[in-house]
Amino acid sequence: AQRVTQPEKLLSVFKGAPVELKCNYSYSGSPELFWYVQYSRQRLQLLLRHISRESIKGFTADLNKGETSFHLKKPFAQEEDSAMYYCALQPTGGGNKLTFGTGTQLKVEL
Amino acid sequence: NAGVTQTPKFRVLKTGQSMTLLCAQDMNHEYMYWYRQDPGMGLRLIHYSVGEGTTAKGEVPDGYNVSRLKKQNFLLGLESAAPSQTSVYFCASSYGVGELFFGEGSRLTVL
Repeated sequence: AQRVTQPEKLLSVFKGAPVELKCNYSYSGSPELFWYVQYSRQRLQLLLRHISRESIKGFTADLNKGETSFHLKKPFAQEEDSAMYYCALQPTGGGNKLTFGTGTQLKVEL
Repeated sequence: NAGVTQTPKFRVLKTGQSMTLLCAQDMNHEYMYWYRQDPGMGLRLIHYSVGEGTTAKGEVPDGYNVSRLKKQNFLLGLESAAPSQTSVYFCASSYGVGELFFGEGSRLTVL
């Protein structure tokens, strides 16, 4: 069975500092990986997915199959980035049954 | 265009009572899901549906039942609520294999 690990429950950074939210996964096949975000009083929503290789709101994430990681990065944190971030894995041929990590609360301080 | 709507948003139950959570989506999505969110546990899939009239078990299905009689609705039922079912419940839908669209969540407390 697949597993997604987000080792940090809370990450505090200062505005303008780099951000890295860690995500490691365990899965024997080739997964598809996602980052979802939940801003205060808003719905959980997709931030980015690895196959699109996009930068969304300045965030990027690279799939490292050797290290089985999908860390989320942003070079300069903004106050509006404060939110709960979830890493999620979709197994190959698994329909759309996502396995979520436990989430990391990002707090950007002024 | 409301997206995914969950009702009720809050509910308090006594142990042994039953209730149904309703999820409605207006995006003509085939797939619908029920997750529960607990502190330190992330989101865990309870049941899901890949189309009208179909349902399947997720990671934590025990104590819950679901029905998908209409494409736009996905009901989650608790026949005999237990304190362990105190949680925030999220419904989501997707067109197929891809982005999930979530509801606002329903907070359930079982005393």
